[in-house]
Amino acid sequence: DVKVTQSSRYLVKRTGEKVFLECVQDMDHENMFWYRQDPGLGLRLIYFSYDVKMKEKGDIPEGYSVSREKKERFSLILESASTNQTSMYLCASRISNEQFFGPGTRLTVL
Amino acid sequence: GQNIDQPTEMTATEGAIVQINCTYQTSGFNGLFWYQQHAGEAPTFLSYNVLDGLEEKGRFSSFLSRSKGYSYLLLKELQMKDSASYLCAVRDSTGRRALTFGSGTRLQVQP
Repeated sequence: DVKVTQSSRYLVKRTGEKVFLECVQDMDHENMFWYRQDPGLGLRLIYFSYDVKMKEKGDIPEGYSVSREKKERFSLILESASTNQTSMYLCASRISNEQFFGPGTRLTVL
Repeated sequence: GQNIDQPTEMTATEGAIVQINCTYQTSGFNGLFWYQQHAGEAPTFLSYNVLDGLEEKGRFSSFLSRSKGYSYLLLKELQMKDSASYLCAVRDSTGRRALTFGSGTRLQVQP
């Protein structure tokens, strides 16, 4: 079974804090993705990576950065959290035509 | 750019059949996907269509018409556990390899 894990299910941070969301997959997938999911807006792509040290902007990269130092780990960084970044964050990895999602991190920024 | 439309909510009865439609506009097309997402959980893969026609997988089937920019997900013999959101997603042909998702259709199955 493919497993995608995320470091936290729930996270509460204050405005201005630096936030790290970690994602690890155990199936040696090259492609990894970060989405955020908001009611009425669906899943929106923030960043993706198709190899170690490679990253590409998705549709809504502003306010975020990413890091992919190892193949199995893809980190999403909020340099200075803001209240409009309160959301559900979903990581995914992909092999062939199937994306596997992690359980999600519900981030609240106060 | 890409635009994906699907109904926001649907209600159906246990044992019945329901069809969830999805229309899309994309600058290039390289596959359409359906995902199921139960409340508070991660999306799980249901189906993939890249050629026109119907793909059947147990109680679930997915149809694609590329010329019409249209797909549907058909759920037969509905069960209470099918209550979930169903997400339509499209992959474009630019090589980006990521998916663009619709807002999802929340299906409520009633007894």
